[in-house]
Amino acid sequence: RKEVEQDPGPFNVPEGATVAFNCTYSNSASQSFFWYRQDCRKEPKLLMSVYSSGNEDGRFTAQLNRASQYISLLIRDSKLSDSATYLCVVFILTGGGNKLTFGTGTQLKVEL
Amino acid sequence: DTAVSQTPKYLVTQMGNDKSIKCEQNLGHDTMYWYKQDSKKFLKIMFSYNNKELIINETVPNRFSPKSPDKAHLNLHINSLELGDSAVYFCASSPRTVNYGYTFGSGTRLTVV
Repeated sequence: RKEVEQDPGPFNVPEGATVAFNCTYSNSASQSFFWYRQDCRKEPKLLMSVYSSGNEDGRFTAQLNRASQYISLLIRDSKLSDSATYLCVVFILTGGGNKLTFGTGTQLKVEL
Repeated sequence: DTAVSQTPKYLVTQMGNDKSIKCEQNLGHDTMYWYKQDSKKFLKIMFSYNNKELIINETVPNRFSPKSPDKAHLNLHINSLELGDSAVYFCASSPRTVNYGYTFGSGTRLTVV
């Protein structure tokens, strides 16, 4: 079982739609959680951190359920520029160091 | 100013060759990483270094040898390149404090022919 699992998509949605991505993680010792965005042939960039209380950044809302080991990202009023791959990421502090473990990503295509 | 810079951006080489990729960060971060993104777009950690010391080595073939001359630099040398090494290699850095995301370089696209 992969450490972080996501539906690969693609999700094709019209402009203005609301779209939700889900993610599950297997390591209950995971400490921090993030959503990254990766555009085609570019590096991953931090979109937002995810907190248990839920957090919002403009049109983006992230939720974490530690009991279910489940993370979500909601994008409202989607724009063409939101088209990208969204990576669910968990932070694990190992005995020797820390590492971010990435999901395989969910591809979003926003269309006119 | 580029925060995490990698060179070269593209690298095409023949099987069996030895090549290096360089990475530098000017963020003052203590920890640096190498990640590999394969053809299926799966991003997987290879190594991490904290202040020049190897911290994580994720079962990478010993043909891959990272070197960190100082905490701002982390280079990756690959011996006897194989077709399966073709991928995008990303360098990243982070502060020592936990709970921060990483800053990635723009990647090195390696093609082995």
